[in-house]
Amino acid sequence: DQQVKQNSPSLSVQEGRISILNCDYTNSMFDYFLWYKKYPAEGPTFLISISSIKDKNEDGRFTVFLNKSAKHLSLHIVPSQPGDSAVYFCAASASGGSNYKLTFGKGTLLTVNP
Amino acid sequence: NAGVTQTPKFRVLKTGQSMTLLCAQDMNHEYMYWYRQDPGMGLRLIHYSVGEGTTAKGEVPDGYNVSRLKKQNFLLGLESAAPSQTSVYFCASSYRPQQRQGPSSYNEQFFGPGTRLTVL
Repeated sequence: DQQVKQNSPSLSVQEGRISILNCDYTNSMFDYFLWYKKYPAEGPTFLISISSIKDKNEDGRFTVFLNKSAKHLSLHIVPSQPGDSAVYFCAASASGGSNYKLTFGKGTLLTVNP
Repeated sequence: NAGVTQTPKFRVLKTGQSMTLLCAQDMNHEYMYWYRQDPGMGLRLIHYSVGEGTTAKGEVPDGYNVSRLKKQNFLLGLESAAPSQTSVYFCASSYRPQQRQGPSSYNEQFFGPGTRLTVL
């Protein structure tokens, strides 16, 4: 049973517009969420994170929103740039003894067209 | 700092052959992890280590063994490779997460560039 779901395998947007990547989770014990970005033939790199005590975290062009009641988070990229084209993974962790463990979604391939 | 490095970058094996993937990190991280990434499956944890000399099973450990003889190195072994082990393997490392109640402490994992393994 998938605990972190990214239901859109791919997303295509125009340069300069907003990209919105979505992620849903089922485990109510998750309280920390991360987004990773992955280019082809490279390892994932950390992008932005959010704790469950917040509903928004912003870092430059990237903003993550968390809706705990809906168990949903989203990553907004504004404005989108061609260099943002990559696979984006949503990941979640829970407090307690297993807080080292990250559960990943399957990823969304973002393509930003010039 | 090199961060997390993996050796080799590519490898082709025949069914039944064995090999070892090497991961090294120079960030003095306590925790290290091995993941595999398959098309449409995301990243799945194979084994992990919370410190030198300790290892534990992750989500998909069958067919793999690991060792952490030195803090900076984490080895992933395939004793008898199978076509189902064709995948891209990523190593990652992180600091020990703070143990506390409430939302998890920041737990960024740093990933290596990956090893693409094909088993024929």
